[in-house]
Amino acid sequence: KAGVTQTPRYLIKTRGQQVTLSCSPISGHRSVSWYQQTPGQGLQFLFEYFSETQRNKGNFPGRFSGRQFSNSRSEMNVSTLELGDSALYLCASSLWEGQPQHFGDGTRLSIL
Amino acid sequence: EDQVTQSPEALRLQEGESSSLNCSYTVSGLRGLFWYRQDPGKGPEFLFTLYSAGEEKEKERLKATLTKKESFLHITAPKPEDSATYLCAVLGGAEKLVFGKGTKLTVNP
Repeated sequence: KAGVTQTPRYLIKTRGQQVTLSCSPISGHRSVSWYQQTPGQGLQFLFEYFSETQRNKGNFPGRFSGRQFSNSRSEMNVSTLELGDSALYLCASSLWEGQPQHFGDGTRLSIL
Repeated sequence: EDQVTQSPEALRLQEGESSSLNCSYTVSGLRGLFWYRQDPGKGPEFLFTLYSAGEEKEKERLKATLTKKESFLHITAPKPEDSATYLCAVLGGAEKLVFGKGTKLTVNP
C-alpha cells in the first residue's frame, strides 16, 4: 500500500516569492493535515482538511493557505516568503479525524 | 492550551541497556495520545495510540503506557537500529494534534 507522497522533496526560493507544495494521501484516507517542523519549534500544526473543507487551522499568518481536492489530494501555498519560513513541511493523512496520522517524508523548503 | 513536554531531550544508551522516555501533557478532553519515531530526513513513523489511562501497547522492544498526566515509552534491550527521535503528541478537544519536541535516542553498539 503506497504511503503519503509529498512533492517536491526539496525547494529553494528567495524572499518575497510564493511556493506551492503537494501531498497525495494514502488511498482511502480523507483527512489531510499539514505541519511545519523546525529545530527550535518542533512540529507545529498548520491546518487540516476533510472532504475538501478546512476543519481546523493553527496559529500561522494568512500567508499560509491550503486546499483539498475531490480525490483527497492536497496543496499548501505560502505567499510572500520570509527567511523564517525555512523548514520541513510535512503532510499527514488519516482515515478520519482522531485516527492515527501517517506522514510523508516532507518538503524541505529553504529561503535565501 | 494543550501542551506536551518530553524528557529527556537526548538519551544515550549502550546496546541492551533498557530505559524509559517521558511525555507529560496537559489537555482538555484527551481523545488520544500518539507515539511516533522519526529518522533523519524522514517523516514521523506511527508507533502507538493510547486512548485512556491504564492502557498499554507493545511492539517488539517498545512498550507505551498512559496515565492521566503522562505517558512512558519503555525501551527494553535496545539495539543500534532503535536510534531515532521519538515524538509524543496529544489530540484533545481542540482537535489539533500537539507535538512535544521529542527525545533523541542514540544506542551505541
